[in-house]
Amino acid sequence: DARVTQTPRHKVTEMGQEVTMRCQPILGHNTVFWYRQTMMQGLELLAYFRNRAPLDDSGMPKDRFSAEMPDATLATLKIQPSEPRDSAVYFCASGLDKADTQYFGPGTRLTVL
Amino acid sequence: DQQVKQNSPSLSVQEGRISILNCDYTNSMFDYFLWYKKYPAEGPTFLISISSIKDKNEDGRFTVFLNKSAKHLSLHIVPSQPGDSAVYFCAASSPGYSTLTFGKGTMLLVSP
Repeated sequence: DARVTQTPRHKVTEMGQEVTMRCQPILGHNTVFWYRQTMMQGLELLAYFRNRAPLDDSGMPKDRFSAEMPDATLATLKIQPSEPRDSAVYFCASGLDKADTQYFGPGTRLTVL
Repeated sequence: DQQVKQNSPSLSVQEGRISILNCDYTNSMFDYFLWYKKYPAEGPTFLISISSIKDKNEDGRFTVFLNKSAKHLSLHIVPSQPGDSAVYFCAASSPGYSTLTFGKGTMLLVSP
């Protein structure tokens, strides 16, 4: 049963701390997406990778957010320093290029106090 | 400026009746449209899609209709079941792009 996995599922931290969220895409998928879900904005695309290369991170606040794919089985999203306005659910999704359908992980619920 | 809009934040329907969820878009370059379903504490899951060359796609109880001239699509669920209670997201993509643009979602509640 191929699924996208994300860790941690929940994270509570204090303002100013570094937060790292991890994602394991479905084996064989070559596109990875990071989304943020908030009540106000819905699902916003933060970053997008194809074959591990970042193609679009225009949705990400560059001064504090960074996204990487150290290898094909791991994608990371870091926030440093974190702020209360970063509180949201962060989803990772993977897919096959040009297939349009994306498969989402269960999300990481981040609370920054 | 939102390119994909779901103007109804919520919808309540009785079991057995039809649920109609609506979505409007502004980008005329969009050529592929999807509906995702999301339960609490889970990620969105793909439900049904439609290409712009069609005006209808059906999968069991779920049918998506596309009106390109009106830049409008809708998802019909017939008959609605309590297990359909979830948030439904409309999404769209452009040719050559792998990214999806999502609406804010509509929460559907189907009561017994």
